[in-house]
Amino acid sequence: AQSVTQPDARVTVSEGASLQLRCKYSYSGTPYLFWYVQYPRQGLQLLLKYYSGDPVVQGVNGFEAEFIKSNSSFHLRKASVHWSDSAVYFCAVSAGGFASALTFGSGTKVIPCLP
Amino acid sequence: GPKVLQIPSHQIIDMGQMVTLNCDPVSNHLYFYWYKQILGQQMEFLVNFYNGKVMEKSKLFKDQFSVERPDGSYFTLKIQPTALEDSAVYFCASSPTVNQDTQYFGPGTRLLVL
Repeated sequence: AQSVTQPDARVTVSEGASLQLRCKYSYSGTPYLFWYVQYPRQGLQLLLKYYSGDPVVQGVNGFEAEFIKSNSSFHLRKASVHWSDSAVYFCAVSAGGFASALTFGSGTKVIPCLP
Repeated sequence: GPKVLQIPSHQIIDMGQMVTLNCDPVSNHLYFYWYKQILGQQMEFLVNFYNGKVMEKSKLFKDQFSVERPDGSYFTLKIQPTALEDSAVYFCASSPTVNQDTQYFGPGTRLLVL
């Protein structure tokens, strides 16, 4: 069985500052890893995904994530946070392939504030 | 981007009643999913569905739950009868034939069972 841990329930960050959201997963096979974002009253939107190749994967809106196999981590980063990044971010893992179920973390709420 | 719609956005019903949650997936998508999120907890997989059949279901997918997509219309989740612990937000998702691993989510239906 797989699991995902997002240790930070809320992160407050100054606008323009860098952001890192932590994600650690547990899965015995080769994981398919995802970051989703949820804005208020909307469905989850895919930011990026990874399953092979360059361990640093680029996503939308300036986000990137790095897969570190030795640490079972897939942290999300952004160089400069904007107020519009206010949302809940979910890390997820699946076995991949044929319509596999996603296992989600508990989410991290990002709260940008004035510098 | 592609949109998944869910109807209704909110539903309040009495325990023991039947409820049907409707999902309008992205057109041309063939794989469908339901997830459940209890307030303050993680979103959890319930079931996936392809070609008219349930492919995989979790332990949360109780006998009172059923899914179908009659004649290519809405993908539905029916709960009959409902219980208090069914109160949650239910998210529908769909994925395309290519890149099946990428799921597109709806905004959720907030179900409250009294």
